[in-house]
Formats: sequence, structure tokens, C-alpha cells
Amino acid sequence: DTGVSQNPRHKITKRGQNVTFRCDPISEHNRLYWYRQTLGQGPEFLTYFQNEAQLEKSRLLSDRFSAERPKGSFSTLEIQRTEQGDSAMYLCASSYQSGEQFFGPGTRLTVL
Amino acid sequence: GEDVEQSLFLSVREGDSSVINCTYTDSSSTYLYWYKQEPGAGLQLLTYIFSNMDMKQDQRLTVLLNKKDKHLSLRIADTQTGDSAIYFCAEIEGIDKLIFGTGTRLQVFP
Repeated sequence: DTGVSQNPRHKITKRGQNVTFRCDPISEHNRLYWYRQTLGQGPEFLTYFQNEAQLEKSRLLSDRFSAERPKGSFSTLEIQRTEQGDSAMYLCASSYQSGEQFFGPGTRLTVL
Repeated sequence: GEDVEQSLFLSVREGDSSVINCTYTDSSSTYLYWYKQEPGAGLQLLTYIFSNMDMKQDQRLTVLLNKKDKHLSLRIADTQTGDSAIYFCAEIEGIDKLIFGTGTRLQVFP
């Protein structure tokens, strides 16, 4: 299967710990997006990359959040000093230019 | 503003039509989208409509767009139990940022 993959699928952590999620986009896609979805809500945009360049960051992305896409392929999203309010589903999507965004299955984060 | 609004819940009998409504805010959105989300699965793009169209039909799906009222609807004909899911409308902000509604949970009963 050559869809968008995300790892891990689930992560449980204690408040104050750091966590890192990985997203592997569809191989020929140059754009990669991160969204966050809390219970009962639609996904909210966090940030996006064109190749390795991070072009836009939402104000939702506090300084505890950092995202990278070092070689223009996979991306990582790190959350430092996690808080209970960070509990959510983190979704990754990829596209070729402004084409359809294909979403991965998400990483569900629970902060205890 | 970035509030895309949807009713939260819709329940229909199998075989009936379902109509899911959405109001959006950004009149400059070039495309408007409908996504489907099933438990444990990622978001799946169902259909989209270009902003200069007022209707698009794709098999059992019909999208209606009223730009004056910023109203978008998705009609599913002959609704099946496999259509039970959460449906999100979304608009585009800027180049590529999707702004999603809160989602409508569709429940189909036999």
C-alpha cells in the first residue's frame, strides 16, 4: 500500500514528557500537512511543508511544537512538555502541488 | 472568520436520501470539499465542487452550492448502512489550508 502512513498509531504519555510522531507521505507528493483533531471537532490546520521548507504555521502551533521535513520526504512532529490539552488525533496529509490532500490514519495522543 | 458550520447529527433509514448541510465563511474559496471519516480510518475525500458551479453529481452523491448564502449541501441517494460515518465539509484558505466544519455524524438504520 502506498498511502500516507503515520507512526505510532497510538501514544500514551505522562504530562511533561516529550513525544515525536512520524509521517511518511505518498512518495511523489511534494507537499505535506499536519492537522490536529480533538474529540467532536473537525481537523484544524497546524502547519505545512513544500519539499523541505515549512511555509506556514498556525497560531495553534505553540513554541512547544516543532515540525521538520529534513529531506523533503518524511516529516516529524515533536511536542515538548506535553499538556493534557495536547490530547488529540494528529493527522498528516500529503499532496502533489495543490492537488487532493490524502490523509493518513492519524496518531492518537493521550496525555495523562 | 474561519467558522464552517454543520449540524451535528443525522439519522436516516436505509434506502432513503440523506442531506447534509454546511455553511462556510470564505467567499474566495475556489473549491469546497466533502470528506468522510469512518472509525479508525483516515479522512477520505468524497467529492468537491468548484466555486463557479452550483451543482455537481457523482453517482449517488449530489453537491449543491449556493454562493450567495454560502451554503453547501451533500445529498446521498439510496443511503446504505456503509454510509454511516462522520461527514465534514471543508473550504480552502490561502493556497492549501483546509478549514473543516465540525462534522455531521450520519447514522443509517435498517
